[in-house]
Amino acid sequence: DAKTTQPTSMDCAEGRAANLPCNHSTISGNEYVYWYRQIHSQGPQYIIHGLKNNETNEMASLIITEDRKSSTLILPHATLRDTAVYYCIVRVARDFGNEKLTFGTGTRLTIIP
Amino acid sequence: NAGVTQTPKFQVLKTGQSMTLQCAQDMNHEYMSWYRQDPGMGLRLIHYSVGAGITDQGEVPNGYNVSRSTTEDFPLRLLSAAPSQTSVYFCASRNRYNQPQHFGDGTRLSIL
Repeated sequence: DAKTTQPTSMDCAEGRAANLPCNHSTISGNEYVYWYRQIHSQGPQYIIHGLKNNETNEMASLIITEDRKSSTLILPHATLRDTAVYYCIVRVARDFGNEKLTFGTGTRLTIIP
Repeated sequence: NAGVTQTPKFQVLKTGQSMTLQCAQDMNHEYMSWYRQDPGMGLRLIHYSVGAGITDQGEVPNGYNVSRSTTEDFPLRLLSAAPSQTSVYFCASRNRYNQPQHFGDGTRLSIL
């Protein structure tokens, strides 16, 4: 699976949009981009995933560049509860098998009141 | 909705003791896995299962055993606890193709 690069930390004002970048320049054509987050002391929480098209759900939007070498997770109206470590993961979609999710170190997002 | 339930939430063991970390899911997911999370190292896969009766090793399986007798349960056993196994353990489950994993809230284990 391709390696990802994320900033170590970011701050965002409460109520503003939080834009979290991820670089995955070695991504392959059959690899998806997944985003998870981990709020202190809790298990990782799935946010969103996509292949090449932009995706939106009730939590966030995912913007993937046309060359698929980078993506941005957007939390449209950040709240204090969005303070967490955000992980960008690239992996091949598999049915069954050894599915190791390589979380890396992620981006620590702090929402400022 | 319970999702993925892990018990206990906290445990302290002495070196050499054995114990079982429990994981149960109520989503009828076929795929279940165990990870450990250590500071600065992210999550590492210990064991996984693709269905009842089928298990396989992840990247750090030594010192741990698993079994999958039912779809719902996937216990992780420490046979002889060592201080190096002090960690936070997460269980996860998912359904088939390209579905995201759902994680439990973890078991914080300390080995003295």
